[in-house]
Amino acid sequence: NAGVTQTPKFRVLKTGQSMTLLCAQDMNHEYMYWYRQDPGMGLRLIHYSVGEGTTAKGEVPDGYNVSRLKKQNFLLGLESAAPSQTSVYFCASSFPTEYHHFGNGTRLTVT
Amino acid sequence: KQEVTQIPAALSVPEGENLVLNCSFTDSAIYNLQWFRQDPGKGLTSLLLIQSSQREQTSGRLNASLDKSSGRSTLYIAASQPGDSATYLCAVKYSGAGSYQLTFGKGTKLSVIP
Repeated sequence: NAGVTQTPKFRVLKTGQSMTLLCAQDMNHEYMYWYRQDPGMGLRLIHYSVGEGTTAKGEVPDGYNVSRLKKQNFLLGLESAAPSQTSVYFCASSFPTEYHHFGNGTRLTVT
Repeated sequence: KQEVTQIPAALSVPEGENLVLNCSFTDSAIYNLQWFRQDPGKGLTSLLLIQSSQREQTSGRLNASLDKSSGRSTLYIAASQPGDSATYLCAVKYSGAGSYQLTFGKGTKLSVIP
C-alpha cells in the first residue's frame, strides 16, 4: 500500500518548456487535488477532481491543466512553463469527509 | 475571503515541555479542521481531524480542540521531544456547495531543544 505517489521528485525546466506531473493513489479515493507550496504563501489549490473524468479549478489554476482519465491517477500539466511556476507541487487524495493524504511533493524549478 | 491564521510562526521550547499551537479561522461555517505535520523537504502527514460536530480529538501525546463559535483550534503537544521538531499546519474545510478544498494556514515551525 503505497498511498499517494508523485513522479518526478525533482525537475528543472527552461521557460516555455512543457511537462506533466503524475500522481497515483491506491486507496480508491474519489477526490484528488493538486496544491502548490510557496514560501510565505502556504499551500494553495490549483485544480481538483471529485471523480474519474471530472476536473475543476481551484484558487490558482492559470497556466495549468489537469486530467483524470482513471480514478487512481491525476495528471498536472504545464504547457509553457514560466519562472513564476517555480514551486513545490503536492498531490493529495481523500474520501469526501475524511483526511487528505499527501504525496511527498515535486520540486520544480523554471529558469 | 476565508483565511486561516497560525500564531506564532515559529516556536522554540526545551525538551519535555508541554506546548500549545494556535489556529484561527475567519468563518465558523466549517466542515472539518485538520492538523498536519511537515518535515523539511517532505510531504504533509495527517495528525488529527476534527469534524464540525466534535470538540476535540486525541492521538497519543497530541490533543486538538475546536471552538467554532470563536473560530479557534489548538493543538496541544504533551512532553515534547526533539523528534516533534517540524512545521505544523492547520487546514480548514469550509462548508457550502462546491467547497472541496482545504484552506491552509502558513504553519508554525516548532523546534524542540534537547
